[in-house]
Amino acid sequence: DTAVSQTPKYLVTQMGNDKSIKCEQNLGHDTMYWYKQDSKKFLKIMFSYNNKELIINETVPNRFSPKSPDKAHLNLHINSLELGDSAVYFCASSPEGDTQYFGPGTRLTVL
Amino acid sequence: QKEVEQNSGPLSVPEGAIASLNCTYSDRVSQSFFWYRQYSGKSPELIMSIYSNGDKEDGRFTAQLNKASQYVSLLIRDSQPSDSATYLCAVNPLYSGGGADGLTFGKGTHLIIQP
Repeated sequence: DTAVSQTPKYLVTQMGNDKSIKCEQNLGHDTMYWYKQDSKKFLKIMFSYNNKELIINETVPNRFSPKSPDKAHLNLHINSLELGDSAVYFCASSPEGDTQYFGPGTRLTVL
Repeated sequence: QKEVEQNSGPLSVPEGAIASLNCTYSDRVSQSFFWYRQYSGKSPELIMSIYSNGDKEDGRFTAQLNKASQYVSLLIRDSQPSDSATYLCAVNPLYSGGGADGLTFGKGTHLIIQP
C-alpha cells in the first residue's frame, strides 16, 4: 500500500551508460515531480509533470528526460551518465501542486 | 532566483527542551510554506504546512509565519531523541491552481537532541 514508490532503490553504473528510474503513485494525484539531492543534502526540483504539461528546471541537462506513460507514473531516463550525476533522486506527487509526498529515493552512483 | 536560507547547524538541544528552527525566504510572492523532516538515508516527511501569518500548532510542533519579515520557524516542544534529524524548510510561490514549479528547499538544519 506504498503511496509513492520508486525502483530501483540503488543503482550503480559506469560513466556513459543510459539508465532509467521508475516512479509510481497510487494516491490519485495530478502532479508528479523529480528532485535531486546532492552529496551536501541540497534538494532541488528537476521536473514537474501535470496533465501532460512538463515544466523543466532550466539548470537540468538535456541528458535527463522524464517520461509519463499515464497519470500514476513518471519515469526518469538519463543518457550518457556522468560522475556528477551521482546523487539521490526522489520522486514526489501532489494533489494540487502544493503539499508534496516523497518516494523512498533512488541512490545513483556513477563510477 | 528564489532562495530559502537555513542555518545548517548542527543545533544541539537537551532532551525535554524546546528546539527552535528558523528559515528565511527571498521570494515575496511565496504563499505556502512547509517543514519536512528527513532522517539519514530516508526521504523527506511532511511535518507541518502553514499558509497564513501567525502560529499553527500540531501536537508538539508549532509553525510560525511572518510574511512581512519573510520568516518561517518551527518549534518542537518536549524534544525527544527521535526528533534528531535534518529539518528542511520549503516554500511554494503558488497556493493553488499550479505550483508545478515544485518546492524550493533550504539546505536544512541538522538537529541533535541530547539525552
